Amino acid sequence: DGGITQSPKYLFRKEGQNVTLSCEQNLNHDAMYWYRQDPGQGLRLIYYSQIVNDFQKGDIAEGYSVSREKKESFPLTVTSAQKNPTAFYLCASKRDRDKQETQYFGPGTRLLVL
Amino acid sequence: AQSVTQPDIHITVSEGASLELRCNYSYGATPYLFWYVQSPGQGLQLLLKYFSGDTLVQGIKGFEAEFKRSQSSFNLRKPSVHWSDAAEYFCAVVTWGNEKLTFGTGTRLTIIP
Repeated sequence: DGGITQSPKYLFRKEGQNVTLSCEQNLNHDAMYWYRQDPGQGLRLIYYSQIVNDFQKGDIAEGYSVSREKKESFPLTVTSAQKNPTAFYLCASKRDRDKQETQYFGPGTRLLVL
Repeated sequence: AQSVTQPDIHITVSEGASLELRCNYSYGATPYLFWYVQSPGQGLQLLLKYFSGDTLVQGIKGFEAEFKRSQSSFNLRKPSVHWSDAAEYFCAVVTWGNEKLTFGTGTRLTIIP
């Protein structure tokens, strides 16, 4: 089955700890995105990548980092600098970076702070 | 900056009744518009999209939406809701050359028997 997978489903972070959320797609999509979802606020863009080894900040990049070493993978690290990391994180991908097309979403990872 | 407004935070309808969820956008250029649905604890599923052409678009699960440029609206409709339609619905907009998909704050739909 083609699609976007995110792991883990739930993730717990201790104070001062960095944690990494996984996002993998086997759709051969060029572009990948990370969004943060908080209750009543919709989705906000953290980072996006249109091509391997390149990525851009979104609206709320502070306290987060990403890498795009492979086309199919776009992991997100929530660093200790992110003071309010509790949220639902959604990864998305789009087929063609040069065209305006639909973004498809993964099932999400819920991050909780211990 | 582009923005999307979903004025209804929560809507309750009876099973079998009709549904309309409102979405207004603010942007000067021609928008590309989407409706997504999210069940609790799940990712977003695309219901339908408008890029160009016929302003009435059909989607999955019996949903449709109409793009009205004069009103800057893209309202979602369904003639008869089912209990399985209970979820949160998000309207989103993007414009050409802009990678940022801007979402509304969502409308939570509750279905009563």
